[in-house]
Amino acid sequence: ETGVTQTPRHLVMGMTNKKSLKCEQHLGHNAMYWYKQSAKKPLELMFVYSLEERVENNSVPSRFSPECPNSSHLFLHLHTLQPEDSALYLCASSLRFGQGAYEQYFGPGTRLTVT
Amino acid sequence: QQPVQSPQAVILREGEDAVINCSSSKALYSVHWYRQKHGEAPVFLMILLKGGEQKGHDKISASFNEKKQQSSLYLTASQLSYSGTYFCAVAAGAGSYQLTFGKGTKLSVIP
Repeated sequence: ETGVTQTPRHLVMGMTNKKSLKCEQHLGHNAMYWYKQSAKKPLELMFVYSLEERVENNSVPSRFSPECPNSSHLFLHLHTLQPEDSALYLCASSLRFGQGAYEQYFGPGTRLTVT
Repeated sequence: QQPVQSPQAVILREGEDAVINCSSSKALYSVHWYRQKHGEAPVFLMILLKGGEQKGHDKISASFNEKKQQSSLYLTASQLSYSGTYFCAVAAGAGSYQLTFGKGTKLSVIP
């Protein structure tokens, strides 16, 4: 397995469910990110982790809870979501923290539908 | 603040050239370009750092005018595989965590 992988690729959940998204990078990178991509909108940065420490929570509602147990794995725990949270959730990694200087490698994303 | 991309969409015939522009109202450290095909992850194309350096590989190149806070992506002799949505993303500083993406330019290459 190479690059950045995400599971599941598709997820349908009710507003009262709890689910988790998983991301794994095989690139030896130190920084990982969660993005949200909605139709007709640009990518929105949600969370940034550098060496397993959360660097930034970009004003994301508490119903989204990230977890980074090590530099290769990143989770996004979801609970009591709203229909407007339906979107493509993308994970990315970069060699180091500091987005200005390092390119990011994206996973294929999880298509989330909240019913 | 979100960079502005133009045009929003463009249709080309194979072999034609295209230019996609990205402009920002803030001083920039770097500009990144990504391409996303339908149903796939964004793929990194290139990064341009402060200094006005022009980069390119194969038939895709880009320039960065830091004084004007603008970048342009040049696609020459377009191929069908160039179809997708092109995003520019900007960073205000090397340590900036905030990579802000534009809304994208949808490029369609037809035979």
